[in-house]
Amino acid sequence: GENVEQHPSTLSVQEGDSAVIKCTYSDSASNYFPWYKQELGKGPQLIIDIRSNVGEKKDQRIAVTLNKTAKHFSLHITETQPEDSAVYFCAAIKGLTGGGNKLTFGTGTQLKVEL
Amino acid sequence: GAVVSQHPSRVICKSGTSVKIECRSLDFQATTMFWYRQFPKQSLMLMATSNEGSKATYEQGVEKDKFLINHASLTLSTLTVTSAHPEDSSFYICSGRQINTGELFFGEGSRLTVL
Repeated sequence: GENVEQHPSTLSVQEGDSAVIKCTYSDSASNYFPWYKQELGKGPQLIIDIRSNVGEKKDQRIAVTLNKTAKHFSLHITETQPEDSAVYFCAAIKGLTGGGNKLTFGTGTQLKVEL
Repeated sequence: GAVVSQHPSRVICKSGTSVKIECRSLDFQATTMFWYRQFPKQSLMLMATSNEGSKATYEQGVEKDKFLINHASLTLSTLTVTSAHPEDSSFYICSGRQINTGELFFGEGSRLTVL
């Protein structure tokens, strides 16, 4: 099955700096890669996603890049703010619309944005 | 994004009792719903996959008689923890797969504490 590794497990940055979180996946057939933000005591919230036919996607301060050859994808947050502090999870899935297909999550990154 | 509602958000029960958690997709139809368990500072672990009108598929190591899942309609799935024990205390999160796009949306989670 799919295996997703995520680094780093914790990340501390100064407000205004950029943060980068990296994930690798094992199944070359995976074709959808969402990123989730989870605040304490809440469920994960989708913040950005990318499909395998795209190399990069950007939404304001958040961007995701995908390297299919190397099987890794990264989350980039620019101009970080204290409210960006949370746990971020990457995930991968093969066949988004396939009924039996499941998301495989990374281990999570605790991001702390310091004033 | 689409909304998934979970209820209750917090529940405390005595050991040996059963607890039901509801997961509703409020503005979309979900052919498939997923139930996860998350222990503190860990990633989400998939417990089972439920498809509307059919029996749930459980992940290895998850007791189907202990964690009863019902997916009676395209907008409602329930998880019942039967004969709960303190080790069942955890954060339970559901996710619905939108019928048209296949995108996955998560509920806010339910914190179960078994005394």
